[in-house]
Amino acid sequence: EAGVTQSPTHLIKTRGQQVTLRCSPISGHTSVYWYQQALGLGLQFLLWYDEGEERNRGNFPPRFSGRQFPNYSSELNVNALELEDSALYLCASSPRGTRSYNEQFFGPGTRLTVL
Amino acid sequence: GQQVMQIPQYQHVQEGEDFTTYCNSSTTLSNIQWYKQRPGGHPVFLIQLVKSGEVKKQKRLTFQFGEAKKNSSLHITATQTTDVGTYFCAVNTNAGKSTFGDGTTLTVKP
Repeated sequence: EAGVTQSPTHLIKTRGQQVTLRCSPISGHTSVYWYQQALGLGLQFLLWYDEGEERNRGNFPPRFSGRQFPNYSSELNVNALELEDSALYLCASSPRGTRSYNEQFFGPGTRLTVL
Repeated sequence: GQQVMQIPQYQHVQEGEDFTTYCNSSTTLSNIQWYKQRPGGHPVFLIQLVKSGEVKKQKRLTFQFGEAKKNSSLHITATQTTDVGTYFCAVNTNAGKSTFGDGTTLTVKP
């Protein structure tokens, strides 16, 4: 069974640019989570999508947004990039998100560097 | 929002020594999960605890959930070099928001 996949693996952008990151969940999983992990730090919750809807978001400005498609894949968009956006962006999926405690399966992440 | 404190931030041990990381919350938790992230890798789910006082074991790893469901611990007996990485606890709310602790990074000296 294929795991969570993310693309691209690495990305270099400059301040002010926009970026789109992509995530494909495990087949059968309807929930997708996005996290930001700055170098050497913990995971900061960004967004949760389930069944195509945004269900919750973390304490991030509106320039962080995303969506989930009918096939449950997801995109994370970041506008007006700032230097501090440099981080590893992790996507995770889990089965139907009606329970509060489904385990999350993480993808390999996208390493974003903002110059 | 929900916050979890994880200690210690770093732990350096000699191979064969034991290791413990703790996760504490000021509020009662419905559940707690533990993940391991190897250097350069992504978090991998280890275990989930739900019941008060629950203890689960996976080989050399022992996970505990406090009686008051406000704290949890992960204990590794006789560490090996393969145990290196960062161990995170995570709390999920009914709203689907996940809060991760800051992690404990374990290094093991052979």
